[in-house]
Amino acid sequence: GAVVSQHPSRVICKSGTSVKIECRSLDFQATTMFWYRQFPKQSLMLMATSNEGSKATYEQGVEKDKFLINHASLTLSTLTVTSAHPEDSSFYICSAREPGQGNEQYFGPGTRLTVT
Amino acid sequence: DAKTTQPPSMDCAEGRAANLPCNHSTISGNEYVYWYRQIHSQGPQYIIHGLKNNETNEMASLIITEDRKSSTLILPHATLRDTAVYYCIVRVTGTASKLTFGTGTRLQVTL
Repeated sequence: GAVVSQHPSRVICKSGTSVKIECRSLDFQATTMFWYRQFPKQSLMLMATSNEGSKATYEQGVEKDKFLINHASLTLSTLTVTSAHPEDSSFYICSAREPGQGNEQYFGPGTRLTVT
Repeated sequence: DAKTTQPPSMDCAEGRAANLPCNHSTISGNEYVYWYRQIHSQGPQYIIHGLKNNETNEMASLIITEDRKSSTLILPHATLRDTAVYYCIVRVTGTASKLTFGTGTRLQVTL
């Protein structure tokens, strides 16, 4: 199956700083990528849908000015958590949709963000 | 997308078949049943999907009832590495639909 990577896998940052997370589709071009957040012992919650060359669509309750998403190419989407706070500590997971018959989504391994 | 209901947890002995049920009584005619799993601290992994016929691949089998209101994911010979949270998701494929994750079933495979 298709491969999606994320970088970094783990990051620790100080409160008030910004952190960028990269999501790459390694062997296919993804016009659409998705960003999820998962708190401990909870399910994945969709944060936003990222479309190449256009603005991201955010889910209700997700602050677009805090979680900046850029999808500048068909293989790369980035999520920047601006002015991070301890409550932003979470597991961030991206997925990429492979165009085609099934439009299947493939998930990255996730990024563990800890804000101190 | 239709809502799904899964038991919160299940246990299975290693080497035995794991049968994970999912209820999707409000499924529409053009909605597929998808199964993903998430091993601890990893991203979800696609397992299988189907519309109305039973499906089998190298990982699992998917049995969908004739009325499509429920389905069962079968792992024929569970191993310790199959311990994970299994998510049953109903969605329309071939469109820009989103994957909405419920709470899933936490499968614990034991020796």
